[in-house]
Amino acid sequence: AQTVTQSQPEMSVQEAETVTLSCTYDTSESDYYLFWYKQPPSRQMILVIRQEAYKQQNATENRFSVNFQKAAKSFSLKISDSQLGDAAMYFCAYSPTGNQFYFGTGTSLTVIP
Amino acid sequence: DAGIIQSPKHEVTEMGQTVTLRCEPIFGHNFLFWYRDTFVQGLELLSYFRSRSIIDNAGMPTERFSAERPDGSFSTLKIQPAEQGDSAVYVCASRSGTSGGGNIQYFGAGTRLSVL
Repeated sequence: AQTVTQSQPEMSVQEAETVTLSCTYDTSESDYYLFWYKQPPSRQMILVIRQEAYKQQNATENRFSVNFQKAAKSFSLKISDSQLGDAAMYFCAYSPTGNQFYFGTGTSLTVIP
Repeated sequence: DAGIIQSPKHEVTEMGQTVTLRCEPIFGHNFLFWYRDTFVQGLELLSYFRSRSIIDNAGMPTERFSAERPDGSFSTLKIQPAEQGDSAVYVCASRSGTSGGGNIQYFGAGTRLSVL
């Protein structure tokens, strides 16, 4: 079975500080894709960052970066210089093929001014 | 780029009625997905298409649910007849079928269905 676990239902961070959201997954596949999506109050999920499992280098998108530990099946998201607009639900997702996506239960991030 | 368009944004209906939800994917996206968000179990995949063909509909909860994509562009999700337990947000997603698409799914804002 393929499952995704986000163990932090809620997180908070001071504006301009750094926060790390945790995600672990379970799979027997060797090649797959991992994603972090942001869901603002509008509820439309927006892609934050993507990682291909065969790539050892951690993905980075501006203030967002991941710590991908394939052996540990861990995929955490680091948000640097947090901004008020970063406040949202964040979902970690795993996909072996790009079709079947498995989502975690989400982490609600609050940014404190 | 208009993104994914789902209509209506909110649907209120009564038990026993037929509900039809519509999704217009991103232009050129070959794959189209229907999800249900019950807020308890998170996003669950109902079915997905490649072009006009259903590839997998194993996630459809009952035979009351059906999905179509007649010409490979827009898709409809029909619930007939609707039951109170069907109340949820139904989310459509799409992705390109090309290697350059990165296997990224793009999501719509969803249709909130309330069955009274």
